[in-house]
Amino acid sequence: EIVLTQSPGTLSLSPGERASLSCRASQSVGANYVGWYQQKPGQAPRLLIYGASSRAAGIPERFSGGGSGTEFTLTISRLEPEDFAVYHCQQYGSTPLTFGGGTRVEI
Amino acid sequence: QLQLQESGPGLVKPSGTLSLTCTVSGGSISGTTSYWGWIRQSPGTGLGLQYIASVHYSGRFYDNPSLRSRVTVSVDTSKSQFSLKLTSVTAADTALYYCVLLSREGRVDQWGPGARVAVSS
Repeated sequence: EIVLTQSPGTLSLSPGERASLSCRASQSVGANYVGWYQQKPGQAPRLLIYGASSRAAGIPERFSGGGSGTEFTLTISRLEPEDFAVYHCQQYGSTPLTFGGGTRVEI
Repeated sequence: QLQLQESGPGLVKPSGTLSLTCTVSGGSISGTTSYWGWIRQSPGTGLGLQYIASVHYSGRFYDNPSLRSRVTVSVDTSKSQFSLKLTSVTAADTALYYCVLLSREGRVDQWGPGARVAVSS
C-alpha cells in the first residue's frame, strides 16, 4: 500500500500568513489522484482539493493544490481565522485508499 | 442535498462484532457510479484516518487488506442503507467511524457526522 507522510505535524501561523503543507507518497500516485481534506474540532472532514489541484465545489480560491508523482502540496494563500484546523491528504490512485497522518494548522 | 447518518451501538465487548448502519437521505443509493464506504479515526493513531471498505450498490466492493478477514459491508437499496460488520474486535478498534460517499475513483465526496464506538468489557 502507498504510505503518505505529511509535514510538518503542526504549523503555527497567524491570520493573513501563507501556509504550505506537504504530503509525500512512498510511491508514485496513479493519475495524481490525491485529495486534501479539512477537519475542524468535532466535525467530519470535508473535501477541499481533488486530483491534486482541482478545488471542490464551494472552496475558496485561497486554497490551492499542486504536485505530482510522489510530492504534493496544499497552499493556503492568506489564512483566515476559520482555516485553523487539521488537514489530511489522501491518495486514491491505488487500493487500499490511504491517508496521511494529518497536519494541524494553529494560531 | 445528500446526507449520511451512522447508527449502531456505542459500546461493544472484546471479541464481539461491531455493527454499524448508514442511512442515506436526499439522494439515491443505487443507479450511480459512486461507492458507499467506511473510514475510521482512532484516538490511538492521533489524527490519522483509516479506510475500512467500500461497496457499490451492485455488490462490488473494495476493502483494506489489514482488516479484510474481519470486515463485511453490504447495501440494502430498499432501505437506502449500507452496513459495516467488524468481527473479533479488540480495544484497537475503538474509534470514530464515518460512513462516506466515494467517487468511482475513490475520493471522499461526503461524510456522515461519525459514530463513536468503544470496545470494552
